[in-house]
Amino acid sequence: DVQLVESGGGSVQPGGSLRLSCAASGFTFYTYWMSWVRQAPGKGLQWVANIKPDGSATYYDDSVRGRFTISRDSPKNSVFLQMDGLRAEDTAVYYCVRGVYKFDYWGQGTLVTVSS
Amino acid sequence: SYELTQPPSVSVSPGQAARITCSGDALPKKYVCWFQQKSGQAPVLVIYEDNKRPSGIPERFSGSLSGTMATLTISGAQVEDEADYYCYSSDNSGNHWVFGGGTKLTVL
Repeated sequence: DVQLVESGGGSVQPGGSLRLSCAASGFTFYTYWMSWVRQAPGKGLQWVANIKPDGSATYYDDSVRGRFTISRDSPKNSVFLQMDGLRAEDTAVYYCVRGVYKFDYWGQGTLVTVSS
Repeated sequence: SYELTQPPSVSVSPGQAARITCSGDALPKKYVCWFQQKSGQAPVLVIYEDNKRPSGIPERFSGSLSGTMATLTISGAQVEDEADYYCYSSDNSGNHWVFGGGTKLTVL
């Protein structure tokens, strides 16, 4: 079975950093785009970033470009989201998702809270 | 920046057809997907590539596209279909992706 398990969420002060990890299993990881999607409390879904199967290209929403970095380690079947310069508006549940648009598998999400 | 526009809410009686729209300038050239999200749960893909249904999704869910508007139709909506629904697509560059604002479907 396909599984995506996020970790690394937590509470951080404004300006701080967090690194989210997503461990993938049950599929040929190195052949799939991977994405991060977030959802602020009581709000809608927001695409954050994605990365090509070979890691050669990455794309970001304007709201996080320059502060967040998506990366992957295919031998370890993992994708990461390095978040620097965190702001209150980055508070959200962050989902790891398989694919670039056909998001057929989602993780359970990890909560990131940015507050002083 | 690119936007997809959905109505905030749609309400139908059980057994009626529910139609949720999503408008965006790039939709004639870019695929749209639809997701269902029930309270406290991760989203579930219900339609991809405009009108394809993943395995396990009931046949009452269908998608269509006309010009710059995509429509998710739930034929014979059931109480269990109450959820938030989101469309998702990219801008013309194919490198920037957006969700619609979401539509809360009420079936009662």
